[in-house]
Amino acid sequence: QLQLQESGPGLVKPSDSLSLTCTVSGGSISSSTYFWGWIRQPPGMGLEWIGSMFYSGSTYYNPSLRSRVTISVDPSKNQFSLKLSSVTAADTAVYYCARLDYYGSGTPPRRGYFDYWGQGTLVTVSS
Amino acid sequence: QSVLTQPPSASGTPGQRVTISCSGSSSNIGTNTVNWYQQLPGTAPKLLIFGDSQRPSGVPDRFSDSKSDTSASLAISGLRSEDEADYYCAAWDDSLNGWVFGGGTKLTVL
Repeated sequence: QLQLQESGPGLVKPSDSLSLTCTVSGGSISSSTYFWGWIRQPPGMGLEWIGSMFYSGSTYYNPSLRSRVTISVDPSKNQFSLKLSSVTAADTAVYYCARLDYYGSGTPPRRGYFDYWGQGTLVTVSS
Repeated sequence: QSVLTQPPSASGTPGQRVTISCSGSSSNIGTNTVNWYQQLPGTAPKLLIFGDSQRPSGVPDRFSDSKSDTSASLAISGLRSEDEADYYCAAWDDSLNGWVFGGGTKLTVL
């Protein structure tokens, strides 16, 4: 059974960078079948896609966050990471990592779906 | 403001059939498949329906969806108390080149 687990600081100061890691177990992050991504949810609000990455490096980012986001993968540790720079209180949210499966040929993964999710980790931006 | 529009709330009594709408545009729902997620209180979202009305293993056939032009709907028949949750639609958007979610619908079982 595939499992994903987020880890990282729960408190980040304004203007600093937020860094989270997602550890994947029960499957290989280097599989050519899947993308890996991050989604966040501010308290009491809806879901917002942050970005997704193929293990080989192909990435897609939310246009509203693109200038501040970097998603990277470390196949040797079966992990992928999120870095969000210049954070403000508006970045306070539960951050989820998830696997994106998809069918059909080519990219981007239009016919995709987030089928496995981590439990989420709350990151608060405050001084 | 979400790219996909959902009603903020919906309700029904046990045994009833309820539907939740999701309105988009030609660049997302009008062109690509729609996924639905269920989020029980305090938990991570769970994939409910994906692709062309497919359900992951373990999701009962009480859950179904439909799509017409730039709108989609989730239907839940035989409503049960454990269906009380937030429901989100999602689709790839060709204009934004990324995933977009609806704002979510809170379903209350009366």
